[in-house]
Amino acid sequence: DTGVSQDPRHKITKRGQNVTFRCDPISEHNRLYWYRQTLGQGPEFLTYFQNEAQLEKSRLLSDRFSAERPKGSFSTLEIQRTEQGDSAMYLCAAFGQGPTGELFFGEGSRLTVL
Amino acid sequence: QKEVEQDPGPLSVPEGAIVSLNCTYSNSAFQYFMWYRQYSRKGPELLMYTYSSGNKEDGRFTAQVDKSSKYISLFIRDSQPSDSATYLCAMTLNTGGFKTIFGAGTRLFVKA
Repeated sequence: DTGVSQDPRHKITKRGQNVTFRCDPISEHNRLYWYRQTLGQGPEFLTYFQNEAQLEKSRLLSDRFSAERPKGSFSTLEIQRTEQGDSAMYLCAAFGQGPTGELFFGEGSRLTVL
Repeated sequence: QKEVEQDPGPLSVPEGAIVSLNCTYSNSAFQYFMWYRQYSRKGPELLMYTYSSGNKEDGRFTAQVDKSSKYISLFIRDSQPSDSATYLCAMTLNTGGFKTIFGAGTRLFVKA
């Protein structure tokens, strides 16, 4: 158990709908990351938070995507007006306390856009 | 050109074989080198990490880093069917905040 839980595990939606994913890390992880993984590819960095501050966003994060981390605890990733190309696994990861940059991943939220 | 290149496989080996997985990278600023294992429909989990050039061993797994060649490897000895998974190499930059870049992952099948 990595201490990072994600919800929902799988979301099926129709194109054009909005979806929201939630990530709950254990409280002492002050850095939280979102990655996207498509079939046959490694995780691609989307954004990360230091406590409640969003410090970096990837070019992959179009204006239809928004991420928040109110109060520096749980985080949400919202996708508006979903497109079929948004179908992917959305992974949340908490940054470990050691010096190596280890990431503790949740199980992921799989999005299928019909 | 991707910052991290990894052959996606699949790689199929018999049980007990030695497995060699490799990645190359282009950015000499990468500081930490890691291998993650990912089972189907699960999140990646850290398997091994190294900081400097050289070898690091943990049970049946050995991670090797050659910074001069920008090349990292993971060796699995006495491979088991339970090792069947996707192996992702990953490298981290420290630019004020840690940013980890992943390879595409190599799918490994170990046949009993």
